[in-house]
Amino acid sequence: GAGVSQSPSNKVTEKGKDVELRCDPISGHTALYWYRQSLGQGLEFLIYFQGNSAPDKSGLPSDRFSAERTGGSVSTLTIQRTQQEDSAVYLCASRTDSAGYTFGSGTRLTVV
Amino acid sequence: RKEVEQDPGPFNVPEGATVAFNCTYSNSASQSFFWYRQDCRKEPKLLMSVYSSGNEDGRFTAQLNRASQYISLLIRDSKLSDSATYLCAVKGGATNKLIFGTGTLLAVQP
Repeated sequence: GAGVSQSPSNKVTEKGKDVELRCDPISGHTALYWYRQSLGQGLEFLIYFQGNSAPDKSGLPSDRFSAERTGGSVSTLTIQRTQQEDSAVYLCASRTDSAGYTFGSGTRLTVV
Repeated sequence: RKEVEQDPGPFNVPEGATVAFNCTYSNSASQSFFWYRQDCRKEPKLLMSVYSSGNEDGRFTAQLNRASQYISLLIRDSKLSDSATYLCAVKGGATNKLIFGTGTLLAVQP
């Protein structure tokens, strides 16, 4: 596709449930990032994948958060036992070495 | 101290005004610098990269001051359509993480 695709665009879940958010990066982009943006806040780095290297997980806020990137392409961010403070927009971005970062339109997660 | 800091604003300016935003970063090993624009309820979009010698794109000028560890964005002859949140972002050092500031809200008034 032409851009970074994220699904679902909106997700409402009950507290305590698990959720999976998906990111389809631009074809050929080797690096993939997940960020979280809470209402009125900046972008909080979560995790970064680069090729076959071990991911940089330093931004994950707790062990309830995990992410995978299969085959160097699609990535899934999983949040287990969701809490209300997990409510935010989760943004994915991808890039190549020569390109800037391109963001998807995000998944708006609401935990009720 | 946050790695990247910005004045959150809001900056309320009349059309035609010149407005400047600053952003400071704490990691002196940072290598790449960017300004992003984010419209309400939309994803951030790259506005411009910031080069050591400074760079200009139409009404927008970006500058880097490594000694003082800040970057700036100048918008001349501001338009209503410039109203948005402007985020600075810094990358480099030992990591390829792109770290964002909290953003500065600009509201251009008619």
